[in-house]
Amino acid sequence: EPEVTQTPSHQVTQMGQEVILRCVPISNHLYFYWYRQILGQKVEFLVSFYNNEISEKSEIFDDQFSVERPDGSNFTLKIRSTKLEDSAMYFCASRPRGQSTNEKLFFGSGTQLSVL
Amino acid sequence: AQKITQTQPGMFVQEKEAVTLDCTYDTSDQSYGLFWYKQPSSGEMIFLIYQGSYDEQNATEGRYSLNFQKARKSANLVISASQLGDSAMYFCAMSSGSYIPTFGRGTSLIVHP
Repeated sequence: EPEVTQTPSHQVTQMGQEVILRCVPISNHLYFYWYRQILGQKVEFLVSFYNNEISEKSEIFDDQFSVERPDGSNFTLKIRSTKLEDSAMYFCASRPRGQSTNEKLFFGSGTQLSVL
Repeated sequence: AQKITQTQPGMFVQEKEAVTLDCTYDTSDQSYGLFWYKQPSSGEMIFLIYQGSYDEQNATEGRYSLNFQKARKSANLVISASQLGDSAMYFCAMSSGSYIPTFGRGTSLIVHP
């Protein structure tokens, strides 16, 4: 089965530093997502991306966050100035069309971000 | 708005026994989809099973089945013949009007030998 690929698997950064989390969604998928999971807590929606723009975002996705698809294959999440509370597992996901309730999300294996 | 509730933070089951993980949901949409994902200790999210709101039969995938009770708005996951490798976090999720899947808080399942 095709896979969503995320790099790095672990990222350690100092508070206030910028981080970029990278994802390569499945090639024929059109909708891309970032979710995060703080240790032991629920999986929270951050942002969805379609046709090179944000389609929806949650209240967690504030001005410190940005997403882009710079080259037609990579899909990145940037955190401009990290805070301790940004420490979490960040999941990238994609869906073929995204406009249906029966499409499952294909998840990457996640990037564990630790902010010190 | 859509909401998923998983009321069991942790469950224990004996190997080879069946276990039911509860999930209730709330949505005003008539068309929606319900999903279960497994998250082992390694962290990845593994899709298990899907149930559509208009599906008349309960979904099954191998040892996984979904006990869908639409009037009660519940979509419980049943794992038959539990194996040690089933020990993991299990998340129920729903996709309705906005199409963006919303997840519950998860249930930690531990399978005892």
